[in-house]
Amino acid sequence: SQKIEQNSEALNIQEGKTATLTCNYTNYSPAYLQWYRQDPGRGPVFLLLIRENEKEKRKERLKVTFDTTLKQSLFHITASQPADSATYLCALDNYGQNFVFGPGTRLSVLP
Amino acid sequence: DADVTQTPRNRITKTGKRIMLECSQTKGHDRMYWYRQDPGLGLQLIYYSFDVKDINKGEISDGYSVSRQAQAKFSLSLESAIPNQTALYFCATSDPRDRGHSNEKLFFGSGTQLSVL
Repeated sequence: SQKIEQNSEALNIQEGKTATLTCNYTNYSPAYLQWYRQDPGRGPVFLLLIRENEKEKRKERLKVTFDTTLKQSLFHITASQPADSATYLCALDNYGQNFVFGPGTRLSVLP
Repeated sequence: DADVTQTPRNRITKTGKRIMLECSQTKGHDRMYWYRQDPGLGLQLIYYSFDVKDINKGEISDGYSVSRQAQAKFSLSLESAIPNQTALYFCATSDPRDRGHSNEKLFFGSGTQLSVL
């Protein structure tokens, strides 16, 4: 069956450290993968997109990797700040028809 | 995203009532989606529409129906609401012109919190 998993429901890290979030999938072949940020009571907001032929993408303090052999994406936030506290969702392109989401990881950055 | 507007923001209704959630967008996107979000389950796709004549079921369409009244409007209806439809509902849009570049992304509204008693 098709499945998308994110490493943990919640992750706590200390301010200044690097947060690493994992997205694993089975029985999908996405042409690209996305990461979104969601704050409580708000809609998800697009952060980064990485294509199947790209190994790594960066945007300011954010870095995404995509390994189609392992069927895994890693999302890194370097020099984390309390303002980075939110839920982070990965999403896959579903054969060009729509997008499927993982359950999300709630990140808390402690001062 | 202010370009995707959902109404109402909150709604409380009773079991068996018919309810409509509305979504309008000013982004000029052809594609629109309805998702529901339950704690710990992420976003689940209910329906999506590629244009006003194209409606498709998502993974959890039972108990829901949709209407694409115009490019800018996509409504979700619960014909007879039940308590397990209590959830946070999101409308989203995307631009299919980005798909050819593998660059298509979703733009979400602020959500409608629906409670069915």
